[in-house]
Amino acid sequence: SQTIHQWPATLVQPVGSPLSLECTVEGTSNPNLYWYRQAAGRGLQLLFYSVGIGQISSEVPQNLSASRPQDRQFILSSKKLLLSDSGFYLCAWTETGSEAFFGQGTRLTVV
Amino acid sequence: AQSVAQPEDQVNVAEGNPLTVKCTYSVSGNPYLFWYVQYPNRGLQFLLKYITGDNLVKGSYGFEAEFNKSQTSFHLKKPSALVSDSALYFCAVRGSGNQFYFGTGTSLTVIP
Repeated sequence: SQTIHQWPATLVQPVGSPLSLECTVEGTSNPNLYWYRQAAGRGLQLLFYSVGIGQISSEVPQNLSASRPQDRQFILSSKKLLLSDSGFYLCAWTETGSEAFFGQGTRLTVV
Repeated sequence: AQSVAQPEDQVNVAEGNPLTVKCTYSVSGNPYLFWYVQYPNRGLQFLLKYITGDNLVKGSYGFEAEFNKSQTSFHLKKPSALVSDSALYFCAVRGSGNQFYFGTGTSLTVIP
């Protein structure tokens, strides 16, 4: 069966520090991968999605970037964090035509 | 552009009563619609989806949703609410490029 791993679960980082959040999927090939941010426990904002290795689409321009170095690995990065980057980050995957499956999320607090 | 709207931030219902969480959609072409539930500090869990076929879709934990094309709605329902159903519920639509777009969420509280 397919599983999705996202880590770390919580992270506290100072302003100006770099960020790397990792997400991996097991049990499937060539998934569509997504990064979402949820602010204040409510709406989800689609940040990036990827339909294949090296193929990244950005929905909202901001202080973050994403990479997909391997088929089932999706990384969210920042060179210098801002206070406004705080939030709950969620990784998700789908196969074409299916529903999306989510990881457990990373709570990022920028201090 | 594809989008969904959840007009209610908060829904309160007494335990044992039926519940409805509302969602309306705006899509070009055939809609692919989904409902998810989120418990505090957790990822989203899939409940059910409408792709095509019967307008009444049955999903996990006794939930169902009714697709209404004329009203462009996809409301989530359950005949008898449980206290454990208290959570944040999201409606979503899948875009033509396989993106998923979510509503703003509805917080459901089931009162014992």
